Amino acid sequence: SQQGEEDPQALSIQEGENATMNCSYKTSINNLQWYRQNSGRGLVHLILIRSNEREKHSGRLRVTLDTSKKSSSLLITASRAADTASYFCATDGGNTGKLIFGQGTTLQVKP
Amino acid sequence: SAVISQKPSRDICQRGTSLTIQCQVDSQVTMMFWYRQQPGQSLTLIATANQGSEATYESGFVIDKFPISRPNLTFSTLTVSNMSPEDSSIYLCSVGYGGRVGQFFGPGTRLTVL
Repeated sequence: SQQGEEDPQALSIQEGENATMNCSYKTSINNLQWYRQNSGRGLVHLILIRSNEREKHSGRLRVTLDTSKKSSSLLITASRAADTASYFCATDGGNTGKLIFGQGTTLQVKP
Repeated sequence: SAVISQKPSRDICQRGTSLTIQCQVDSQVTMMFWYRQQPGQSLTLIATANQGSEATYESGFVIDKFPISRPNLTFSTLTVSNMSPEDSSIYLCSVGYGGRVGQFFGPGTRLTVL
């Protein structure tokens, strides 16, 4: 079963703009991860934020986590056409390593 | 990090047949997983492939339909048995290293069942 929801389901922006995607989840977590998938290929891990962290940065990516609201957001700044992809959040609830994925956001960045 | 390959990359199969998907990792890993991604959908965990013991299946997935082997720490197979068009999906394997880093995914196997 899916952990939660992501919104928006689809996002279309111009190159150079910022893109924000949100993820909600239902159960307690050890960490939350964001992945990118290009055109139905394998997933690429972007960033992991632990349950005791509130914000994390990696290059043009900024992730926030609010465990009280069971939500996270991914911000991509100064977007590029190459950022066009589907983005998924995934939660890791324990020591098993199993991930539960959100529904995903499809991002289109227009040149 | 890990480099993961899957075979085949894609296949078109007839209803009622079976397909075995291979997943090869370039280093030994403890955690290995199989996911299904139905068309236009997100990923759903099928099972955890355990080395030396039976796989651990998630709710809704059974061994008779998705038998999994894990003979060593670098290799696993997933078989999709007695296929129907509803099995048309992308099947992905992944490896994990615990809660400190993310998982690494294979490129996926795109299966179409006619």
